[in-house]
Amino acid sequence: ETGVTQSPTHLIKTRGQQVTLRCSSQSGHNTVSWYQQALGQGPQFIFQYYREEENGRGNFPPRFSGLQFPNYSSELNVNALELDDSALYLCASSLGGGNSPLHFGNGTRLTVT
Amino acid sequence: QKEVEQDPGPLSVPEGAIVSLNCTYSNSAFQYFMWYRQYSRKGPELLMYTYSSGNKEDGRFTAQVDKSSKYISLFIRDSQPSDSATYLCAMSLPGANSKLTFGKGITLSVRP
Repeated sequence: ETGVTQSPTHLIKTRGQQVTLRCSSQSGHNTVSWYQQALGQGPQFIFQYYREEENGRGNFPPRFSGLQFPNYSSELNVNALELDDSALYLCASSLGGGNSPLHFGNGTRLTVT
Repeated sequence: QKEVEQDPGPLSVPEGAIVSLNCTYSNSAFQYFMWYRQYSRKGPELLMYTYSSGNKEDGRFTAQVDKSSKYISLFIRDSQPSDSATYLCAMSLPGANSKLTFGKGITLSVRP
């Protein structure tokens, strides 16, 4: 069974730039969620995708957007990067239906300078 | 007040000790409760997953949920140096298990 994989592992961007992070969900999982984890904090929910549609969003501005593809892989896009966007971005997958636990990837460490 | 409060750390214990990690929460609608372990430079790994009140045991780990007090705990028996990590409590509403609300995490160090 293949777990959740994310790429790249590390990324350095300049304020104002745009970034795309990628995620392949665990085999058999059809729901993907994205989380932001600032240093020393717990992860914060960004949004969830199910059947290629956004299905729930946390308290993040519209410059955070995403996609889910037919093979259940996903992208997180962040426009107009700000210094505070520096964080570990985690992708998690689960089986749809609402009661399945999340399984996380190892994340992408984004640094905005 | 944050929705989920986790005991501040860090916590350092000798090998073999019993460890107790705790979280309190304010939203009585939370129904699903989880503990994740996160090693340095890794993503959170699911340790325990429980529904509503009660205890659940898995090897050296026991998760306890007291919904009346809005309090959850994770006990680690016979702690090992390999248990050294950050432990995160998380919880969710019914039918919304992708939207987890996490505690801040506590860093545990088990000394050989």
